[in-house]
Amino acid sequence: QKEVEQDPGPLSVPEGAIVSLNCTYSNSAFQYFMWYRQYSRKGPELLMYTYSSGNKEDGRFTAQVDKSSKYISLFIRDSQPSDSATYLCAMSNNQGGKLIFGQGTELSVKP
Amino acid sequence: DAGVIQSPRHEVTEMGQEVTLRCKPISGHDYLFWYRQTMMRGLELLIYFNNNVPIDDSGMPEDRFSAKMPNASFSTLKIQPSEPRDSAVYFCASSFQRDIQYFGAGTRLSVL
Repeated sequence: QKEVEQDPGPLSVPEGAIVSLNCTYSNSAFQYFMWYRQYSRKGPELLMYTYSSGNKEDGRFTAQVDKSSKYISLFIRDSQPSDSATYLCAMSNNQGGKLIFGQGTELSVKP
Repeated sequence: DAGVIQSPRHEVTEMGQEVTLRCKPISGHDYLFWYRQTMMRGLELLIYFNNNVPIDDSGMPEDRFSAKMPNASFSTLKIQPSEPRDSAVYFCASSFQRDIQYFGAGTRLSVL
């Protein structure tokens, strides 16, 4: 079993839809939770990060962490075609600098 | 800030040749990471440095791979000799807060 599980998709939604992206994990020691966006043939771009549990909002993006369920989510409101990319979750236990990445979910927002 | 700068962006080489990938981290960042991304295995950490010192190289696949960081603004990842299975996208990332990492655009390596 992988430490971090993420549905690879692809996920296709119409413009304006609310998108929910999710990851589950098995290591209860994880403390930092990140979401990266990766456009085709580009490097991962840090979108949001959260320390420990709770919610964090940034514009149209909301990150949620539920440590009791070992489950993290990224919500995108009013999705736009420019949001079409692969979204990677990543997490760490703040010991050793090693980020564990999910496989990434490919999102397509159709106009 | 220009972000993490990697060169070259694309590299095509023949099996057996030496390949050197280069990275300039964000100024002020004291952590530098090298990753490899493939369809099959996703993003894998190869090695990381703190203050120019290698801290964890457990992800380096074999002795053909080596990495150096001679100063705070430059790092190299070398593959010698290269093999077709080394074909992947190699990313460099840097951080001032170890777990919050910023990635470069990557080097797409093809070994024929």
